[in-house]
Amino acid sequence: QVQLQESGPGLVKPSETLSLICTVSGGSITSYYWSWIRQPPGKGLEWIGHIYYTGSTHYNPSLKSRVTTSLDTSKNQFSLNLSSVTAADTAVYYCARELTPAGFDSWGQGALVTVSS
Amino acid sequence: QSVLTQPPSASGTPGQRVTISCSGSSSNIGSNYVHWYQHLPPGTAPKVLIYRNNQRPSGVPDRFFGSKSGTSASLAISGLRSEDEADYYCAAWDDSLSRVVFGGGTKLTVL
Repeated sequence: QVQLQESGPGLVKPSETLSLICTVSGGSITSYYWSWIRQPPGKGLEWIGHIYYTGSTHYNPSLKSRVTTSLDTSKNQFSLNLSSVTAADTAVYYCARELTPAGFDSWGQGALVTVSS
Repeated sequence: QSVLTQPPSASGTPGQRVTISCSGSSSNIGSNYVHWYQHLPPGTAPKVLIYRNNQRPSGVPDRFFGSKSGTSASLAISGLRSEDEADYYCAAWDDSLSRVVFGGGTKLTVL
């Protein structure tokens, strides 16, 4: 059973870059899509984007200008960078494996990231 | 406002059958698979309940049933149990928006 775990700073200042890493165990990231999803406090889920094992990416158009993702196959990790953050980016960030579009079979526990000075 | 529309809340008593709806359009549910997720209290990972409209992953009880018709989908939970109390989300790919879209979530209360 593949397991995912998010890690990174829990507090980011406005205008800075939010960076998270997702470590995958029990399976290799050299297949499938690897996604980031977030949930602002009191709100629903929002898909940020995904990276295919080949390195190709696809992002939510509303966030595309600020998002980058990458793979590190040597560490079996993938990462998220979200630039120029504001308080509206405060959320629990989840990483997940996406077997088919919108079909996430494994999720991380989530990492709360607060944007505040 | 979510692209997929779900009722914000649903409830039932133990043993009852509850249905949660998910309404979309031709660009999402109408042309792509629908998936359902259960999200227990904060700090837990969401769990896939129904995959590709009506497929139950290994380990998901057959009390959970997914269906799709046209631009709508439904999740039915029979034999309701207290541990089913959670938030439920539907999700699909949207061809027009070119992204994954989620429903706003339905909070299920077991009375």
